[in-house]
Amino acid sequence: DGGITQSPKYLFRKEGQNVTLSCEQNLNHDAMYWYRQDPGQGLRLIYYSQIVNDFQKGDIAEGYSVSREKKESFPLTVTSAQKNPTAFYLCATRSDSHNEQFFGPGTRLTVL
Amino acid sequence: AQSVSQHNHHVILSEAASLELGCNYSYGGTVNLFWYVQYPGQHLQLLLKYFSGDPLVKGIKGFEAEFIKSKFSFNLRKPSVQWSDTAEYFCAVNVAGSYQLTFGKGTKLSVIP
Repeated sequence: DGGITQSPKYLFRKEGQNVTLSCEQNLNHDAMYWYRQDPGQGLRLIYYSQIVNDFQKGDIAEGYSVSREKKESFPLTVTSAQKNPTAFYLCATRSDSHNEQFFGPGTRLTVL
Repeated sequence: AQSVSQHNHHVILSEAASLELGCNYSYGGTVNLFWYVQYPGQHLQLLLKYFSGDPLVKGIKGFEAEFIKSKFSFNLRKPSVQWSDTAEYFCAVNVAGSYQLTFGKGTKLSVIP
């Protein structure tokens, strides 16, 4: 998890604005993930990418978008179409050799 | 689609008490099973995992979990908890061959000194 950077740690935005959350990794992992964590809801998958220039919707993709132009980077955009964007967002990578996911420190987004 | 149930939302224990957190999943095929822990203010980190072999798996910090296939369960145990075990614990399931993890809703553990 030390090889995954999420910035910023806290983010505030006004309602109606798009906002992009950063996720960078130096673990050389192919697969990357975005989860949303809400109290009492666990982690829910937003999007994931198995390889550069490819990504798939998770369980709650509506109102979000992603890109995967580089292996190291998997930014998440929270659009104005997301009805309840205030949450804690976690980025993860997956080790093929160990079939386990590693998590970043998260970004807490508050929409005012 | 698979789902994961964690029976307890919040567990409060005194130090030295024994811990068992329940986890059940709903998928009939081959699965990989995980327990993750989130200490206050820290990253989510892996406690232990089960892929195959001995159904009793030992993880970090004295935790262990037992896979009971007939019950679709993967309960987490620790014989004697410490105040430092205060955290939120998540069970997760991965269908073999899939890239996705499905998480339970988590159990908050509070250990009273």
